[in-house]
Amino acid sequence: QKEVEQDPGPLSVPEGAIVSLNCTYSNSAFQYFMWYRQYSRKGPELLMYTYSSGNKEDGRFTAQVDKSSKYISLFIRDSQPSDSATYLCAMKMFSGGYNKLIFGAGTRLAVHP
Amino acid sequence: SAVISQKPSRDICQRGTSLTIQCQVDSQVTMMFWYRQQPGQSLTLIATANQGSEATYESGFVIDKFPISRPNLTFSTLTVSNMSPEDSSIYLCSVGFVGESDEQFFGPGTRLTVL
Repeated sequence: QKEVEQDPGPLSVPEGAIVSLNCTYSNSAFQYFMWYRQYSRKGPELLMYTYSSGNKEDGRFTAQVDKSSKYISLFIRDSQPSDSATYLCAMKMFSGGYNKLIFGAGTRLAVHP
Repeated sequence: SAVISQKPSRDICQRGTSLTIQCQVDSQVTMMFWYRQQPGQSLTLIATANQGSEATYESGFVIDKFPISRPNLTFSTLTVSNMSPEDSSIYLCSVGFVGESDEQFFGPGTRLTVL
């Protein structure tokens, strides 16, 4: 079993739709939860960062963490064609003397006009 | 934040050869990491590049195959040695700052194809 599971998609939605992206994890040692966005032929960029269970909003993006279920989500409201990218969830844990990131496989999202 | 550049951006190499990838950061950083991103796969940490000492490798990655140097706080190299087609992948440099969030920033990646 992978430590972090993420549906690779692809996910295709019309412009303006609400998008829900999800990851599950198995390791209770994960302390921080992140969402990265990766455009084609670019490196990942940090989108959202959360620590505690609950919701965190930033503009059209909402990150949700449920530690009891080991489940995290990213919601995108009023999706735009510019949101078309691969979204990677990542979990951080302290291991071997430093913080280590474990990534999901990424979900490819396409928002069509 | 940090601006990270990688060279080369892409390369096509022959089996059995080696390629050295460079990572340059515009400011001094505490942590530097090297990741591999194979097609359809998640990012996998290869190693942590330590300034002034040997890199720390993750399970499944060894120094003979992926030697790493980090001569200072703004620069690191990753060499992919004795390449085979299975090494075809995107290699990404990442940097981190020790602090409340320990946020990591990624370079644009090096796209490697081995024939």
